[in-house]
Amino acid sequence: DVKVTQSSRYLVKRTGEKVFLECVQDMDHENMFWYRQDPGLGLRLIYFSYDVKMKEKGDIPEGYSVSREKKERFSLILESASTNQTSMYLCASSWREYGYTFGSGTRLTVV
Amino acid sequence: DQQVKQNSPSLSVQEGRISILNCDYTNSMFDYFLWYKKYPAEGPTFLISISSIKDKNEDGRFTVFLNKSAKHLSLHIVPSQPGDSAVYFCAASVKIQGAQKLVFGQGTRLTINP
Repeated sequence: DVKVTQSSRYLVKRTGEKVFLECVQDMDHENMFWYRQDPGLGLRLIYFSYDVKMKEKGDIPEGYSVSREKKERFSLILESASTNQTSMYLCASSWREYGYTFGSGTRLTVV
Repeated sequence: DQQVKQNSPSLSVQEGRISILNCDYTNSMFDYFLWYKKYPAEGPTFLISISSIKDKNEDGRFTVFLNKSAKHLSLHIVPSQPGDSAVYFCAASVKIQGAQKLVFGQGTRLTINP
């Protein structure tokens, strides 16, 4: 059974902190994605990666960066957390077909 | 610029009846369409998909219809069951840099009433 694991289900961080959200997949997938989900806005793509050390900006990359040093791990970094980054963050992976496998999500609150 | 739109934030249907969820898109380059289901505190799970070259795909109680001329797709669930209560996201796929990028709609919260 394929799995995408996000390291934390809930996080509370202070404004200005550097925040790391970790995602690991065990399916040897090439492509990995970070989305955020907000009420009324659906899922919006922050960054994605189609190979190790490769990254591409999504639709809302401002305030975020990513790291993919190994194929199975894709990290989302909030360089200086702000309250408007309070959201549900979802990691996903896929290989060549169209379906994504999502993790359970990390609900981040920035206070 | 919302390329994929779900105009109904919520839908309430009686158990046993048909649920119809709608989705509109603007980009003619989308080559695949998918529906995902999401329960609270869980990630979205894949439900059903359809290629842009087809107009219907059926899987058990779930059927997706695609009308390319209208840039519209819909998900039919029949009969609806209480376990179908969830948020449903429509998504459209486009290839970028070798990766299939999914663009999601805003979601529709479906409630099935006993």
